[in-house]
Amino acid sequence: DAKTTQPNSMESNEEEPVHLPCNHSTISGTDYIHWYRQLPSQGPEYVIHGLTSNVNNRMASLAIAEDRKSSTLILHRATLRDAAVYYCILRDYYGGSQGNLIFGKGTKLSVKP
Amino acid sequence: GAGVSQSPSNKVTEKGKDVELRCDPISGHTALYWYRQSLGQGLEFLIYFQGNSAPDKSGLPSDRFSAERTGGSVSTLTIQRTQQEDSAVYLCASSLKSIDRAGEKLFFGSGTQLSVL
Repeated sequence: DAKTTQPNSMESNEEEPVHLPCNHSTISGTDYIHWYRQLPSQGPEYVIHGLTSNVNNRMASLAIAEDRKSSTLILHRATLRDAAVYYCILRDYYGGSQGNLIFGKGTKLSVKP
Repeated sequence: GAGVSQSPSNKVTEKGKDVELRCDPISGHTALYWYRQSLGQGLEFLIYFQGNSAPDKSGLPSDRFSAERTGGSVSTLTIQRTQQEDSAVYLCASSLKSIDRAGEKLFFGSGTQLSVL
């Protein structure tokens, strides 16, 4: 299964942009890139996903490298509520066991007021 | 309800006892997942249901673990003869059936904290 690599932790200041990197050098052509985040004492929540093109939604933006071997989750203005563990996950289009979300340890984002 | 509901929120049991954990998915969601998360760790996939059938049980760690889903809705995860290493948060998630599973969005409950003494 294709794996992802993320920094263990990052810090940001409130109201500043945050760029969370993810490396996935062994990504296959049928892998989608998903991001989830987990706030303290809660289950994970969906943030965004994409295949090749950059994606935007109300929560964040996803920038995908042209060779798809890396991606960056962008929070445009961090708030204290964005402090969470952010997971970058590859998901195979064809499903099966490879289609299940396999979570790594993610990046713990701290936001300073 | 509006979201995925799990019960109980906390369960303390003695080693060797059986426990049942319940998950009520979002109404209309046909796919259901169980994960567990040990302290300070990432999520570990356990089992996936589509409707009442479980096409993927590959994550169940031993034959002490089983799960069922009835009526395409509520699911129960049963752990027999619990061990201390079973202590973790057990998370349930549901999603709408999607031909394109890669684009499927999972909605998680808040989990059941299981402590085995």
